[in-house]
Amino acid sequence: EPEVTQTPSHQVTQMGQEVILRCVPISNHLYFYWYRQILGQKVEFLVSFYNNEISEKSEIFDDQFSVERPDGSNFTLKIRSTKLEDSAMYFCASSQGGSGREKLFFGSGTQLSVL
Amino acid sequence: AQSVAQPEDQVNVAEGNPLTVKCTYSVSGNPYLFWYVQYPNRGLQFLLKYITGDNLVKGSYGFEAEFNKSQTSFHLKKPSALVSDSALYFCAVRDASGYSTLTFGKGTMLLVSP
Repeated sequence: EPEVTQTPSHQVTQMGQEVILRCVPISNHLYFYWYRQILGQKVEFLVSFYNNEISEKSEIFDDQFSVERPDGSNFTLKIRSTKLEDSAMYFCASSQGGSGREKLFFGSGTQLSVL
Repeated sequence: AQSVAQPEDQVNVAEGNPLTVKCTYSVSGNPYLFWYVQYPNRGLQFLLKYITGDNLVKGSYGFEAEFNKSQTSFHLKKPSALVSDSALYFCAVRDASGYSTLTFGKGTMLLVSP
């Protein structure tokens, strides 16, 4: 079965540094998402992306966050100036369609630790 | 706002026994409901979904879930648990009345003992 791949699996950074988390969605999927999970808490929606623009974002996704599809395969999440509270597992997901009925395919996540 | 509650952080069950992982939800319209499972060092994997129709939904690996509109619940069940079912299980909801994000619960760890 095709998979969503995420790199790196672990990222350690200093507070205030920029990080880029990378994802390769499934090749024929058109909708892309980022979610995160702080340890012991819920999986939270960050942003959805379709047709090269953000279609929806949560209040977590502030000006420090940005997403990009720089080429035909990669989908990236950038955090401009990391804070301690950005430490979390970040999941990328993709789906073929954007209706509520669609199941999402998730990557295995990037564990971000901000020191 | 839509929300999902998974009241148990952990469920323990012996192999061969039936299991239930509980989930209740809140949406303004009709719900689309999902269960995902996460094995160690893996991403969330889709198990099953309720969209419309029969309230009992069957999914992967012998799991099923029952949609109960009056109780706003979507509990995950399996008649006979396997040790390999041990994983983290997430319930999720989307509002069917319009485009909305997928909202997850915090997850329930299922531990099946031999």
